[in-house]
Amino acid sequence: DAKTTQPNSMESNEEEPVHLPCNHSTISGTDYIHWYRQLPSQGPEYVIHGLTSNVNNRMASLAIAEDRKSSTLILHRATLRDAAVYYCILRPLNNAGNMLTFGGGTRLMVKP
Amino acid sequence: DTGVSQDPRHKITKRGQNVTFRCDPISEHNRLYWYRQTLGQGPEFLTYFQNEAQLEKSRLLSDRFSAERPKGSFSTLEIQRTEQGDSAMYLCASSSQGATGELFFGEGSRLTVL
Repeated sequence: DAKTTQPNSMESNEEEPVHLPCNHSTISGTDYIHWYRQLPSQGPEYVIHGLTSNVNNRMASLAIAEDRKSSTLILHRATLRDAAVYYCILRPLNNAGNMLTFGGGTRLMVKP
Repeated sequence: DTGVSQDPRHKITKRGQNVTFRCDPISEHNRLYWYRQTLGQGPEFLTYFQNEAQLEKSRLLSDRFSAERPKGSFSTLEIQRTEQGDSAMYLCASSSQGATGELFFGEGSRLTVL
């Protein structure tokens, strides 16, 4: 499976936007880009996913580079509750079992 | 629906004992997954069920591990002759069928092997 590269950690101030980068230079044409996050002492939760076009939902926005070799998760106004580990995951369309392969993720710290 | 539930949330056992974890998925979900997570690492895939059929197992799932989903609803993960290296968070997730179906995770069962 194609791999992703994320910074180990990032810091943000509360109520400011946060841009979490992910590199996936070996992405194939049928790989979906998924983001999950894991709050302390909880299981991961789905954030957003996309294929080629930018996506928005109530939690975040996903900006996908034109060549699809990188993407950015955007939290428009970080809150203290957004402090979590964020995982960028490539999910092949032919992944019949829908399994997710997690990397190390980015630990986001939000300062008040 | 209360989401994916796991039991027990915490288990402390002595090396060599057997332990069993239970997962109740979201009721209409036909896919169920087990993951293991150690401190500071991302979750690692262990095994996956579609209905009652176990369709994939990771090489991480040694002979001491067995998972079942007898009626396609709840699932159990048993670890026999536990070792200290089995200490981890065991996460269960469920999803409906579909290539991009969102996985819903439980809060996990934390195992400590003394």
